[in-house]
Amino acid sequence: DVKVTQSSRYLVKRTGEKVFLECVQDMDHENMFWYRQDPGLGLRLIYFSYDVKMKEKGDIPEGYSVSREKKERFSLILESASTNQTSMYLCASSLTGDGYNEQFFGPGTRLTVL
Amino acid sequence: QKEVEQDPGPLSVPEGAIVSLNCTYSNSAFQYFMWYRQYSRKGPELLMYTYSSGNKEDGRFTAQVDKSSKYISLFIRDSQPSDSATYLCAMGLDNYGQNFVFGPGTRLSVLP
Repeated sequence: DVKVTQSSRYLVKRTGEKVFLECVQDMDHENMFWYRQDPGLGLRLIYFSYDVKMKEKGDIPEGYSVSREKKERFSLILESASTNQTSMYLCASSLTGDGYNEQFFGPGTRLTVL
Repeated sequence: QKEVEQDPGPLSVPEGAIVSLNCTYSNSAFQYFMWYRQYSRKGPELLMYTYSSGNKEDGRFTAQVDKSSKYISLFIRDSQPSDSATYLCAMGLDNYGQNFVFGPGTRLSVLP
């Protein structure tokens, strides 16, 4: 059974704090993604990684950074949390190959920044 | 105009009804079209994907793509309370996840 896990389901942080969101997948997938999900806006891509130590900016990378030191783990870092980063954060992973490569999502982390 | 538009609902139907969920899009180059189901407090899970035009059926679910109208639909037959969820459409120029564009989702409630 494929699995993407995220370290926390709910987090409450204060403005200015450094925040780490962790994602682990057990499917040996090359690609990993971080999205945020806000009402009325759909999923927006923050960063993705296609290999260990590789990262690419998505549509809304400002205020975020990522780290991928091991194939199975992809971390999202908020260097200095702000209230406008209150959101649901979703991690996903997928294979690389011909044809359609399904993205598998984790359960999400609901982050509140006060 | 947003790249992908989807009625947010909520949509409430009685059990057994046929449900029609729709998305419109602006980029005529999209080739991959996906529907995800997202239960409350869970991540999205892929229901169906279609490449290019046409219909695809999987049990009670049918996905339709009309590229000439830039319109995709998901039909749910004999809807069940367990179908109550938010349904997200997504589409892409290619099969690379980083290029997918997601709709905001339609919240569906199927009432027993």
